[in-house]
Amino acid sequence: DVKVTQSSRYLVKRTGEKVFLECVQDMDHENMFWYRQDPGLGLRLIYFSYDVKMKEKGDIPEGYSVSREKKERFSLILESASTNQTSMYLCASSLSGGAQETQYFGPGTRLLVL
Amino acid sequence: SQKIEQNSEALNIQEGKTATLTCNYTNYSPAYLQWYRQDPGRGPVFLLLIRENEKEKRKERLKVTFDTTLKQSLFHITASQPADSATYLCASPNTGFQKLVFGTGTRLLVSP
Repeated sequence: DVKVTQSSRYLVKRTGEKVFLECVQDMDHENMFWYRQDPGLGLRLIYFSYDVKMKEKGDIPEGYSVSREKKERFSLILESASTNQTSMYLCASSLSGGAQETQYFGPGTRLLVL
Repeated sequence: SQKIEQNSEALNIQEGKTATLTCNYTNYSPAYLQWYRQDPGRGPVFLLLIRENEKEKRKERLKVTFDTTLKQSLFHITASQPADSATYLCASPNTGFQKLVFGTGTRLLVSP
């Protein structure tokens, strides 16, 4: 079974702090994704990566950056957290190719920015 | 722009009945649709994929249909159980096959 883990289930940060969210997958998947999920807005893609050191902007990249130094790890960075970044953050991975591949999600990190 | 729409109102049904959830898409023709289940506070879990040339797909008590004329997919759970209570999301690739576009999901509540 594919396992996608996220570093924290719950996180509380202050406005202006730099926040790191880590995601690790154990199935040698090529693709990794970061989403945020908000009530009524569904899942929105922040960034994705098709390969090590490669990144692509999703639909809402502003205020975020990512890092993929190793194939199994994809980090999401909030350079200066703001209250409107309070959300559920979900990491996902898929085997290879494009969007047609099934995505496997982590348990999510619920971030509260005060 | 391409859109996937699901009924935002929760669907309440009694145990044993068939639940039917709807996913409508506009402004494009997806090559396939995926359905995911999401429990509260958890990440979505993949359930089924149906391609545009498949009218119907089944997996145990689950059935998905794809009607390209109506631009709609229906997701059925037969003999529903309280354990089926969750939010169900549909998703499809965007026209460039670069990402999945998700609907906002429909919450299903199955009462004993």
